[in-house]
Amino acid sequence: KQEVTQIPAALSVPEGENLVLNCSFTDSAIYNLQWFRQDPGKGLTSLLLIQSSQREQTSGRLNASLDKSSGRSTLYIAASQPGDSATYLCSSRDDKIIFGKGTRLHILP
Amino acid sequence: NAGVTQTPKFQVLKTGQSMTLQCAQDMNHNSMYWYRQDPGMGLRLIYYSASEGTTDKGEVPNGYNVSRLNKREFSLRLESAAPSQTSVYFCASNLGGGTEAFFGQGTRLTVV
Repeated sequence: KQEVTQIPAALSVPEGENLVLNCSFTDSAIYNLQWFRQDPGKGLTSLLLIQSSQREQTSGRLNASLDKSSGRSTLYIAASQPGDSATYLCSSRDDKIIFGKGTRLHILP
Repeated sequence: NAGVTQTPKFQVLKTGQSMTLQCAQDMNHNSMYWYRQDPGMGLRLIYYSASEGTTDKGEVPNGYNVSRLNKREFSLRLESAAPSQTSVYFCASNLGGGTEAFFGQGTRLTVV
């Protein structure tokens, strides 16, 4: 049974800092790993999708990496901004999509 | 493009009442999913449908039924609502394999 864990559960950092969010999964037989952002009371917005054959994906200030052998993914956010404050969720997909509980990120102005 | 559409957006039910949450996607996706999201619990999979004509249980299926009506539509039914089913429900879809998943905007359900 796939389990996805996100550490830390919450994080506060000053504006401008670079930061890393962590995601681990127990079963490496995945099709992909996808990172989402969720603002309070809203739906999920897809940020980055890494296929199982890929090592990383980049979009603007975001970079996500995938290491299947160790069961880990990281989301790197460069030069953080107050608008980055949200909950970040990672999910892994085999025959179904399983989520971690998320990291609540607060960027301090 | 509408993407994934959920109806209704909000609903209040009395304990014991039944209702159906509707989900439709217009992306010709094969796989569809229903999740519930509760504070501190993340998104938990209720049921999923890997392809038209198939459905499978997820992590928390008790108290729910689903129907994959056709390729576009996947409904979630609460036969006898309970306060423990108060939650935000999300529907998602993807083409299959390693493709990107897309989510609806959610249905906020309160059972009193």
